[in-house]
Amino acid sequence: KQEVTQIPAALSVPEGENLVLNCSFTDSAIYNLQWFRQDPGKGLTSLLLIQSSQREQTSGRLNASLDKSSGRSTLYIAASQPGDSATYLCAVTVGSSNTGKLIFGQGTTLQVKP
Amino acid sequence: DAGVIQSPRHEVTEMGQEVTLRCKPISGHDYLFWYRQTMMRGLELLIYFNNNVPIDDSGMPEDRFSAKMPNASFSTLKIQPSEPRDSAVYFCASSLGGGSRLRGYTFGSGTRLTVV
Repeated sequence: KQEVTQIPAALSVPEGENLVLNCSFTDSAIYNLQWFRQDPGKGLTSLLLIQSSQREQTSGRLNASLDKSSGRSTLYIAASQPGDSATYLCAVTVGSSNTGKLIFGQGTTLQVKP
Repeated sequence: DAGVIQSPRHEVTEMGQEVTLRCKPISGHDYLFWYRQTMMRGLELLIYFNNNVPIDDSGMPEDRFSAKMPNASFSTLKIQPSEPRDSAVYFCASSLGGGSRLRGYTFGSGTRLTVV
């Protein structure tokens, strides 16, 4: 059974710092991996999607990497801002096709202090 | 585009009552997903549909839960009878072709259910 773990559960940093969020998964047979952002009381917003054949994806100050063989992904946030404060969730699509069936980690709650 | 629309936003009901949650996916999306989020268990996939047909309902916790998608623009998740442990935020999401970088995987704002 696929399990997704995110470390740390919570993180507080001063504005401007670069930071890394970690995600690990137990079964390397994934179709893709996504990082989402969730603001309090809101739904999830997709940030980055990495196909299983890819190593990384970048969007603005965000960079996500994927090491499928070791079951790990990282989300790198450069020059963090207070507006980045949210919960970040990692999710994998299980199986060999794009079923859209996502297994989520518990998330990392990030606070960026001004 | 209004995105994925869920109703109601909040629902408070008494134990034993029937609860119906509603979802309108993004027009043109062919996949629809129902998730439940709790502090203890995080986000869990309950069921998903492809072209209005249920594909995988292995995440539905009990027979008290049922979901339907009578057409491409509407889905319901029903709990009957409801119990306090069903209290959670229920999210609906839709995507085109299972979701991709270009096609998106869009979540609604959720329904916060409290069963007292």
